[in-house]
Amino acid sequence: ILNVEQSPQSLHVQEGDSTNFTCSFPSSNFYALHWYRWETAKSPEALFVMTLNGDEKKKGRISATLNTKEGYSYLYIKGSQPEDSATYLCAFINAGNMLTFGGGTRLMVKP
Amino acid sequence: SAVISQKPSRDICQRGTSLTIQCQVDSQVTMMFWYRQQPGQSLTLIATANQGSEATYESGFVIDKFPISRPNLTFSTLTVSNMSPEDSSIYLCSVATGTYEQYFGPGTRLTVT
Repeated sequence: ILNVEQSPQSLHVQEGDSTNFTCSFPSSNFYALHWYRWETAKSPEALFVMTLNGDEKKKGRISATLNTKEGYSYLYIKGSQPEDSATYLCAFINAGNMLTFGGGTRLMVKP
Repeated sequence: SAVISQKPSRDICQRGTSLTIQCQVDSQVTMMFWYRQQPGQSLTLIATANQGSEATYESGFVIDKFPISRPNLTFSTLTVSNMSPEDSSIYLCSVATGTYEQYFGPGTRLTVT
């Protein structure tokens, strides 16, 4: 059983604060790591697919880094806005394109 | 990318009944998956829906409880049979469209009373 863990489980920040959270995953048999953003009653939205050790990806105020040797990825949000409130999921991909998800980090941004 | 719709978006069902969830994709895809998220838990893969053959179930999930159909490359159904309150979850279908890319439907929120 693959163990993908996210921390913290939930996070409350003020509008304008920058924040980050962690995804840890097995460092062996690594193919790729996904980050998704999931708002209630909507489809999980793909943010990043990361494949190479040292990858850094950015989409607007959100960025992510990847360390496959030690098995972790960080997601950063700069200047959080209320519309960033969502659950952020990471998912580890092994051979066969199967996703194993972490438990998610629920972010709430207060105006 | 792929646009995925699911029906119903939510339902409240009685214990012992069954519910069939539909997943429709706007393009032909080879790989379709069904996931569930129980309250407070991770998204967990139930099965891979194979076109023209039986679904491939993950450990802990069986065909009698979660029968799946995949009649063509754009449509699949998942049935939750003989429901109990423990089946209360969000059920999502997803498709793989390319290397490592997966897209999800909006989910079906099921409450079993």
